[in-house]
Amino acid sequence: GQNIDQPTEMTATEGAIVQINCTYQTSGFNGLFWYQQHAGEAPTFLSYNVLDGLEEKGRFSSFLSRSKGYSYLLLKELQMKDSASYLCAVSRFTSGTYKYIFGTGTRLKVLA
Amino acid sequence: EAQVTQNPRYLITVTGKKLTVTCSQNMNHEYMSWYRQDPGLGLRQIYYSMNVEVTDKGDVPEGYKVSRKEKRNFPLILESPSPNQTSLYFCASSSGTGSSPLHFGNGTRLTVT
Repeated sequence: GQNIDQPTEMTATEGAIVQINCTYQTSGFNGLFWYQQHAGEAPTFLSYNVLDGLEEKGRFSSFLSRSKGYSYLLLKELQMKDSASYLCAVSRFTSGTYKYIFGTGTRLKVLA
Repeated sequence: EAQVTQNPRYLITVTGKKLTVTCSQNMNHEYMSWYRQDPGLGLRQIYYSMNVEVTDKGDVPEGYKVSRKEKRNFPLILESPSPNQTSLYFCASSSGTGSSPLHFGNGTRLTVT
């Protein structure tokens, strides 16, 4: 079956670095997305990985290992505004179409 | 501005009273989808559409209908809402290549009493 696991909640201090992990099991893998979602708001796109390795985008980086079914989102120089949920999502190709499957999200609290 | 527009933002209704949540995108996206988000369950797909007049069930389609008569619009219809459909709903669109991200509307918080 299809499955995505990520921690429910994490806490970190302003200015620190935090790593949010995501493991997945799926067939027809076509890439992995990370989204940020503030409470009561829409998810917004952060990153996309389809090849193994690290993609860096400012304070945020995302890593993928397809052989291990593993990804992480790295947030550096944490700011209070980074307090949000972070959603891991997998794109898979099945039955002639693409489907996006979401994990339940990791709620990150940044403390002063 | 590229966007997905959902209406209404908040809706309170009673069991059995038909309702429609509208969704429109201005990015000429082929792929559109509806999700519901519940605490502890994450985003679950209700229905999706790969193009005009092409729709298919997601993971939790029971109690919902959709239509895709035009490329930009993808309304979600609840013919007879029930309390277990109380949730936060999101419409999303993408170019449909599988490598392009979903663009989400601002959400509709539905309460069915």
